[in-house]
Amino acid sequence: EVQLVESGGGLVQPGGSLRLSCEASGFTFSSYWMSWVRQAPGKGLEWVANIKQDGSDKYYVDSVKGRFTISRDNAKNSLYLQMNSLRVEDTAVYYCARGPVEYWGQGTLVTVSS
Amino acid sequence: QAGLTQPPSVSKDLRQTATLTCTGNSNNVGNQGAAWLQQHQGHPPKLLSYRNNNRPSGISERLSASRSGNTASLSITGLQPEDEADYYCSAWDSSLSAWVFGGGTKLTVL
Repeated sequence: EVQLVESGGGLVQPGGSLRLSCEASGFTFSSYWMSWVRQAPGKGLEWVANIKQDGSDKYYVDSVKGRFTISRDNAKNSLYLQMNSLRVEDTAVYYCARGPVEYWGQGTLVTVSS
Repeated sequence: QAGLTQPPSVSKDLRQTATLTCTGNSNNVGNQGAAWLQQHQGHPPKLLSYRNNNRPSGISERLSASRSGNTASLSITGLQPEDEADYYCSAWDSSLSAWVFGGGTKLTVL
């Protein structure tokens, strides 16, 4: 059974940093593109970033370029999102996803507020 | 980045058929088709269909997806109360090098 478990969310002040993690199991992690997708409270889905199987290619939505970094550790079956210079508008539930839409974790809430 | 266009809401009677639409352009929907996701309140999204009409195992045969030009559609026949949810379409945009989502359609089963 495919499982994706996110962690690392929480409350942070504007301008602060946070690192999200996603632990994968139930499939060969190193064989799949992986993504982060977020959903602001009461809003729709927004793709944030994705990363190729070996980490050689990465893509980001314009609004996070230069602030967020996606990475992975295939030996640990883990996906990460380093978020710097956080803004109020980054407040959302962040989902880890395979594909980016095939399987989804339960999400972790990031709240950026003073 | 420009997203895909979905109607905000659709309402249909129990046991009727609902058809949800998703409009993009030749760089996304018109290129590789769209995926469809269902999300119930308080839960993560769930994949219903990918690349137009490939259903993952366990997805009801009452659901079928199609594409005509730059518009993708999801039809749900014999509507049941559990079909009431938000539905999103998504596609890779080759010109943006980005995944794009529609704004979502809230399906209400009356």
